[in-house]
Amino acid sequence: AQSVAQPEDQVNVAEGNPLTVKCTYSVSGNPYLFWYVQYPNRGLQFLLKYITGDNLVKGSYGFEAEFNKSQTSFHLKKPSALVSDSALYFCAVRDPNDYKLSFGAGTTVTVRA
Amino acid sequence: EAQVTQNPRYLITVTGKKLTVTCSQNMNHEYMSWYRQDPGLGLRQIYYSMNVEVTDKGDVPEGYKVSRKEKRNFPLILESPSPNQTSLYFCASSFTQGSEQFFGPGTRLTVL
Repeated sequence: AQSVAQPEDQVNVAEGNPLTVKCTYSVSGNPYLFWYVQYPNRGLQFLLKYITGDNLVKGSYGFEAEFNKSQTSFHLKKPSALVSDSALYFCAVRDPNDYKLSFGAGTTVTVRA
Repeated sequence: EAQVTQNPRYLITVTGKKLTVTCSQNMNHEYMSWYRQDPGLGLRQIYYSMNVEVTDKGDVPEGYKVSRKEKRNFPLILESPSPNQTSLYFCASSFTQGSEQFFGPGTRLTVL
């Protein structure tokens, strides 16, 4: 069975500082990995994905994520956070042999001015 | 405009009264899915569909039904809603299994 863990319920950073949101996964094969963001009272928006290839994936709004197979992690990063990055972030994983998609519990990011 | 639409956006109902939440996408996506979002639990997949007439259970299918008679539509049916189905529901679609999903705006359901 596949699963995702986001070990931090909340992350607080100052504007301009680096932002990291952690994600670890468990899947039987090579994973499909995704990050989504949810702004207040909105649906989810896609940020980036890893299917294969380079371990460093670049996505929307200046975000990037690094796939680490040995640590089964896919942490989301942004070099310089903005107040507008404050939102709820979800990591998701799919086993390529399955159609199910599993989400983590989410991490609330607050960026203070 | 490419989008996933859900209706209704808000619904308050009573236990046992059958309801349907509609979902429609205009992107010709093969894959569609329903999720519920609950605080502290993230999104949990209810049902998904790989194509017309092909559906399968997600992680929390109990109490729900779906159908996929047309490629663009994927309604979620609650035959006899109960208070534990009070939640925020999202429909999503994607081209393929490995593609990013496009989410609808959500339906907030309250079952009294």
